[in-house]
Amino acid sequence: DGGITQSPKYLFRKEGQNVTLSCEQNLNHDAMYWYRQDPGQGLRLIYYSQIVNDFQKGDIAEGYSVSREKKESFPLTVTSAQKNPTAFYLCASSKELWQGTYEQYFGPGTRLTVT
Amino acid sequence: AQSVTQLDSHVSVSEGTPVLLRCNYSSSYSPSLFWYVQHPNKGLQLLLKYTSAATLVKGINGFEAEFKKSETSFHLTKPSAHMSDAAEYFCVVSAGTTSGTYKYIFGTGTRLKVLA
Repeated sequence: DGGITQSPKYLFRKEGQNVTLSCEQNLNHDAMYWYRQDPGQGLRLIYYSQIVNDFQKGDIAEGYSVSREKKESFPLTVTSAQKNPTAFYLCASSKELWQGTYEQYFGPGTRLTVT
Repeated sequence: AQSVTQLDSHVSVSEGTPVLLRCNYSSSYSPSLFWYVQHPNKGLQLLLKYTSAATLVKGINGFEAEFKKSETSFHLTKPSAHMSDAAEYFCVVSAGTTSGTYKYIFGTGTRLKVLA
């Protein structure tokens, strides 16, 4: 059963702590993406990756970091430098990077609450 | 510059009546356009996509959309709403730029409410 998994579904952290969100895909896609979703704002791009060991900043990368050591995995770390980390985080993948005709496949999301 | 505008943040329909969710886009190049649906606390699921083939695109769950270049629109429709259609819907445009890259631009979403 191919798809994208994200874990955990809900995550609670204290302010000042770093936290890592997991994203795994078994679709054999080259490209992976991280988005942040806030109410009424649509999706905003945090980071994206075209291939293993390569990734680029998106529109709102400050306070976040990623790695791409394996094709299947693209974890996102929310650092203490991120001023408003409470949000719903979505991971996505596509066959190729930004190839307009290829749709993105999304994981179920992780809701992060920082207090 | 590319952009996408979803004209209604909330739409309410009665079960069994037609659904119309409106989307306008702006793109300097021929765009690809997508509609996604998101149920509460879930990821996004692709409903349909337009990639310069037939202008009337049929998707899953009885949804369809028509690409109208002259109106720069890609409205989503369904003849008869079902309670399970209640969700948030996102229109997305993907178009090339002069630098040879693409980017997906998401609309801010339309929340569909279906009344019994």
